[in-house]
Amino acid sequence: VKLVESGGGLMPPGGSLRLSCAGSGFAFDSYAMSWVRQVPGKGLEWVSSISGLGGSTYYADSVKGRFTISRDNSKNTLYLQMNSLRAEDTAEYYCARIVSRNWGLLEYWGQGTLVTVSS
Amino acid sequence: EIVLTQSPGTLSLSPGDRATLSCRASQSVSTSFLAWYQHKPGQAPRLLIYETSTRATGIPDRFSGSGSGTDFTLTISRLEPEDFAVFYCQRYGTSPLFGQGTKLEIK
Repeated sequence: VKLVESGGGLMPPGGSLRLSCAGSGFAFDSYAMSWVRQVPGKGLEWVSSISGLGGSTYYADSVKGRFTISRDNSKNTLYLQMNSLRAEDTAEYYCARIVSRNWGLLEYWGQGTLVTVSS
Repeated sequence: EIVLTQSPGTLSLSPGDRATLSCRASQSVSTSFLAWYQHKPGQAPRLLIYETSTRATGIPDRFSGSGSGTDFTLTISRLEPEDFAVFYCQRYGTSPLFGQGTKLEIK
């Protein structure tokens, strides 16, 4: 199992960014996936989750209405569209595979991609 | 809104010592939905324990979890040099929640 995030970078407040997470080594569409972030020097914070076929999505209150999780199973890729970015969204963003039938239990993680929101 | 509080914030121990990390919930958590993760700088977090006491695949038996209700514990029976890291408890489900972490450092 391999998960590789990309798309991080420096963005001004109010900007938009799309993160990607390429999965390999497993049947991508059979697993729900999540995004989790870590503010520098702080702990882990769950951001969003999506079911294997994309029909169910969940968001943390801190990002609801600004972030959108999606997936393209034909490309084995998970996305996080981040709009109206705020300074407090600055963090390392990890994608993770959810254990079957255990929402939110994160079995495999990527190495992360850094998002910095600053003017 | 439930809060998970981990203690201590930092634990300083030596290899060979026993480590006991605590996770206290502000309201009762089902033992079916409590997990522990290990996170080292620059690495991906690693799932250690789920369902309060079940070790994830490949996790050595020196790691064990216990607890119920609002009090949960991760115990590392005999610390190895590679065990030093930050540890997080998590209540999982459709709205997962992490504790703030305990840093286990070498004394």
